[in-house]
Amino acid sequence: DVKVTQSSRYLVKRTGEKVFLECVQDMDHENMFWYRQDPGLGLRLIYFSYDVKMKEKGDIPEGYSVSREKKERFSLILESASTNQTSMYLCASTLNRVGSGANVLTFGAGSRLTVL
Amino acid sequence: QQPVQSPQAVILREGEDAVINCSSSKALYSVHWYRQKHGEAPVFLMILLKGGEQKGHEKISASFNEKKQQSSLYLTASQLSYSGTYFCGTERLDRGGTSYGKLTFGQGTILTVHP
Repeated sequence: DVKVTQSSRYLVKRTGEKVFLECVQDMDHENMFWYRQDPGLGLRLIYFSYDVKMKEKGDIPEGYSVSREKKERFSLILESASTNQTSMYLCASTLNRVGSGANVLTFGAGSRLTVL
Repeated sequence: QQPVQSPQAVILREGEDAVINCSSSKALYSVHWYRQKHGEAPVFLMILLKGGEQKGHEKISASFNEKKQQSSLYLTASQLSYSGTYFCGTERLDRGGTSYGKLTFGQGTILTVHP
């Protein structure tokens, strides 16, 4: 089974701190994603990466950046955390099967971030 | 733009049926359905490709009406294990015919099944 591992399940940070959320997948998937989950809003895409060092903005990239130096690792960075970034963050990955309809997301367990 | 799911919440007794709908204003390539139990990661249920396919997974099935850009998830004879939040995720291809699996999710439907 594909495993997507997020390093921290729960984090508590203070406003203005720099926050790193780490995600590792072990099945050689090409594509990796960071979603944010909030009640009543569903999952919203922050950033995704389709190759090492390649990234594209999702629907809500403001206040976030990402890093993908190795294929298996995708990091989400909050340069200066704010209270409105308190949320559940989900990492996911897919194989690169272009147009096949088989790009199924495999999610990590999530990282719940609280910014005080 | 996020697809719209309805209803927002459903409460059932074991054995009852439910339908969850997902509507998009944009032309879609596929619709994915996921279920998330409390405190766990979302888990893939099924994918519907354009062409009006209907797929099944035990007592859970789904359909995709390409003309209306709508998908429906059908839960038949519900079990306690069906409880959770259901999300539809819509996939669109870019001009190069690529999506990378990037999905836009609905806001979720909370399903609660009581004994």
